[in-house]
Amino acid sequence: KQEVTQIPAALSVPEGENLVLNCSFTDSAIYNLQWFRQDPGKGLTSLLLIQSSQREQTSGRLNASLDKSSGRSTLYIAASQPGDSATYLCAVRPDSNYQLIWGAGTKLIIKP
Amino acid sequence: DAGVIQSPRHEVTEMGQEVTLRCKPISGHDYLFWYRQTMMRGLELLIYFNNNVPIDDSGMPEDRFSAKMPNASFSTLKIQPSEPRDSAVYFCASSFQGGQPQHFGDGTRLSIL
Repeated sequence: KQEVTQIPAALSVPEGENLVLNCSFTDSAIYNLQWFRQDPGKGLTSLLLIQSSQREQTSGRLNASLDKSSGRSTLYIAASQPGDSATYLCAVRPDSNYQLIWGAGTKLIIKP
Repeated sequence: DAGVIQSPRHEVTEMGQEVTLRCKPISGHDYLFWYRQTMMRGLELLIYFNNNVPIDDSGMPEDRFSAKMPNASFSTLKIQPSEPRDSAVYFCASSFQGGQPQHFGDGTRLSIL
């Protein structure tokens, strides 16, 4: 059974720092992996989607990597800003169906 | 472009009452997903539809929960009778083709007293 873990559960860093959020999964047979952002009282916004054949995806200051063999993905945020404060969730789509398996999220606080 | 629209945003009702949550997906999207989010269990997929047809409802917790999608622009999630443990935030999401990123609504915060 696929399980997705995100560590740490919470992270607080000063503005301007580069940071890495981690996501690990137990079954390497995945179709894709997605990173989402959730702001308080809001839904989830898709940030990056990495197909199983890809190693990384980039969007602006965000870079997500995928290592299927080790069951890991990282989300790198460059030059963090207070507006990056949110909960970041990763979700794995198993091979064969459209159900996403979710991590519990990392709550990120960027201090001005 | 309008995103996924959910209503109501908040619902407070007494145990035993019927609750109906509504969702309008993004026009053109052929997949619709209903999720529940709680502190204890995180995000859970309840059911998803493809072209208005329920594909996987294995996440629906009990027979008290039912979902319908009468047309491509509307879906409902109904709880009857409601119980306090149903209190959660319920999200609807849609996507164009199942493998594409899902677009989420802002959710319905449900409190059952």
